[in-house]
Amino acid sequence: AQRVTQPEKLLSVFKGAPVELKCNYSYSGSPELFWYVQYSRQRLQLLLRHISRESIKGFTADLNKGETSFHLKKPFAQEEDSAMYYCALPSDDKIIFGKGTRLHILP
Amino acid sequence: DTGVSQDPRHKITKRGQNVTFRCDPISEHNRLYWYRQTLGQGPEFLTYFQNEAQLEKSRLLSDRFSAERPKGSFSTLEIQRTEQGDSAMYLCASSLGVRNREQFFGPGTRLTVL
Repeated sequence: AQRVTQPEKLLSVFKGAPVELKCNYSYSGSPELFWYVQYSRQRLQLLLRHISRESIKGFTADLNKGETSFHLKKPFAQEEDSAMYYCALPSDDKIIFGKGTRLHILP
Repeated sequence: DTGVSQDPRHKITKRGQNVTFRCDPISEHNRLYWYRQTLGQGPEFLTYFQNEAQLEKSRLLSDRFSAERPKGSFSTLEIQRTEQGDSAMYLCASSLGVRNREQFFGPGTRLTVL
């Protein structure tokens, strides 16, 4: 079954410290993966997709097919990074979302 | 065009009542999706349209749920005989199509069934 697992409900990190939000997936075939973000009182929006290999707001994510992972990383956390982060797997014509991880940046 | 819009933003209803939500997608997008999100969960797919055709429905979409997109523009999601378990955030998203898989989300309609 196609599935996305985010093992952490909440991640608290001090400002300036590195961030890693974990995501593992189950998919038969070559997956395409996204990270979506939802800031407080804002709508869900795409943060980045693995296929574009870009860094958005200092975040990067590498697809590791051997470990079936797509962890989101940032070397130095900023207070404005506090948000809900969802790992997402496009499958057929829909998106399968993980349960999300709330990232809380401590001052 | 300010993006995907949804109306109402909040709806409180009594168990057994019918409710209808509306979604207006980004104007040039031919695909429109409905998701449901409950507390502590990510969005879960309900159904989607390509233009006016409803192409897939999740098993989550019981017989009490019906969605339409009559002219291939806005869509409505109706829930008949609401139950307390229907309380959730209902999200609408739109996209340009298969080649660009990014979906743009609306602000959601929060439904509370008393």
